[in-house]
Amino acid sequence: GENVEQHPSTLSVQEGDSAVIKCTYSDSASNYFPWYKQELGKGPQLIIDIRSNVGEKKDQRIAVTLNKTAKHFSLHITETQPEDSAVYFCAASMMGQAGTALIFGKGTTLSVSS
Amino acid sequence: ETGVTQTPRHLVMGMTNKKSLKCEQHLGHNAMYWYKQSAKKPLELMFVYNFKEQTENNSVPSRFSPECPNSSHLFLHLHTLQPEDSALYLCASSLSTRTENSPLHFGNGTRLTVT
Repeated sequence: GENVEQHPSTLSVQEGDSAVIKCTYSDSASNYFPWYKQELGKGPQLIIDIRSNVGEKKDQRIAVTLNKTAKHFSLHITETQPEDSAVYFCAASMMGQAGTALIFGKGTTLSVSS
Repeated sequence: ETGVTQTPRHLVMGMTNKKSLKCEQHLGHNAMYWYKQSAKKPLELMFVYNFKEQTENNSVPSRFSPECPNSSHLFLHLHTLQPEDSALYLCASSLSTRTENSPLHFGNGTRLTVT
């Protein structure tokens, strides 16, 4: 089955710096890779996703890159702000019994200090 | 404002109690999910329902019993739980079970503590 590894587990940056979170996956059939942000006391929220036919996707200060050959994908946050502080999860799709299931990484706690 | 509402937000129960978690989605989705979130672990998929029918049970112990009376409501009935079942239980919904075409929307979870 699919296995998703996420690094680092914690990341501390100064406001204005960039932050990069990396994930690797094992199932070459995976074709969808979302990123979720979870703030304290809330459920995860989708912030950006990428499909296997695309190498990079950008949305304002966040971007995701995908290297299918190496089976890894990364989240890039530029010009970080204190409100970016949260836990970030990557995920990869896996075909299940009746649809596609998402396999999640263990999460990265990002702290942005001002 | 989340379109997926979970109640209660917090629950403390003894190992011999019976309780239920409730989830309601206002997004017109057809698929609903239960996930378990424990510290330092990935989100674990427990159950999947599609058009009220259970399509996936991820080897979850029988002390967890899901119920989906319609596409908008999902319950998780709990009985004779163990302390290691303490976790955040997240409900999610999506338009279909093809999550690459219909992203998951999560509720804010129920923080469960088993004493």
